[in-house]
Amino acid sequence: SQTIHQWPATLVQPVGSPLSLECTVEGTSNPNLYWYRQAAGRGLQLLFYSVGIGQISSEVPQNLSASRPQDRQFILSSKKLLLSDSGFYLCAWSLTRHQPQHFGDGTRLSIL
Amino acid sequence: DQQVKQNSPSLSVQEGRISILNCDYTNSMFDYFLWYKKYPAEGPTFLISISSIKDKNEDGRFTVFLNKSAKHLSLHIVPSQPGDSAVYFCAASAGDTDKLIFGTGTRLQVFP
Repeated sequence: SQTIHQWPATLVQPVGSPLSLECTVEGTSNPNLYWYRQAAGRGLQLLFYSVGIGQISSEVPQNLSASRPQDRQFILSSKKLLLSDSGFYLCAWSLTRHQPQHFGDGTRLSIL
Repeated sequence: DQQVKQNSPSLSVQEGRISILNCDYTNSMFDYFLWYKKYPAEGPTFLISISSIKDKNEDGRFTVFLNKSAKHLSLHIVPSQPGDSAVYFCAASAGDTDKLIFGTGTRLQVFP
């Protein structure tokens, strides 16, 4: 069966520090991968999606970037974090359209 | 522009009764709709989906209804159980993409 792993579960970072969040999927090949953010009291906002290695689409202009160095690995990064980057970050995968996306357990990021 | 709207931020239902969660959308190109359940500090869990070629889909206690003319989606949970207490998100996608647009969520509380 397929599983998705995200780490770390929680992270506290100072403003201006770099960020690297990692997501890996097991049990499937060539998944579509997604990064979402949920701000407090808000819905899930799609940040990035990838349909293959090295293929990244950005949905909103922001301070973050994403990379997909391997088929089942998706990384969310920032060179300098802002206070507004605080939130709950979720990684998800799917196989094809009209199939549900499956989410990891998320990373709670707090910026001080 | 909020393309998927959940106008009720919260709902309280007695155990054993029906829970009805509602969702409205504005984009007539949406052709796939999903409901997710989310507990605090966890990722959303897929519950049930429906394609625009159907108007109803059932899975156990969960039924999703789609009214395309009204651009309205609802999730019925019968009978409601205390373990159903969570935040419920509706989501939609359109056309050739499987990018999901999420509503802001409805917090369901099922009391004994």
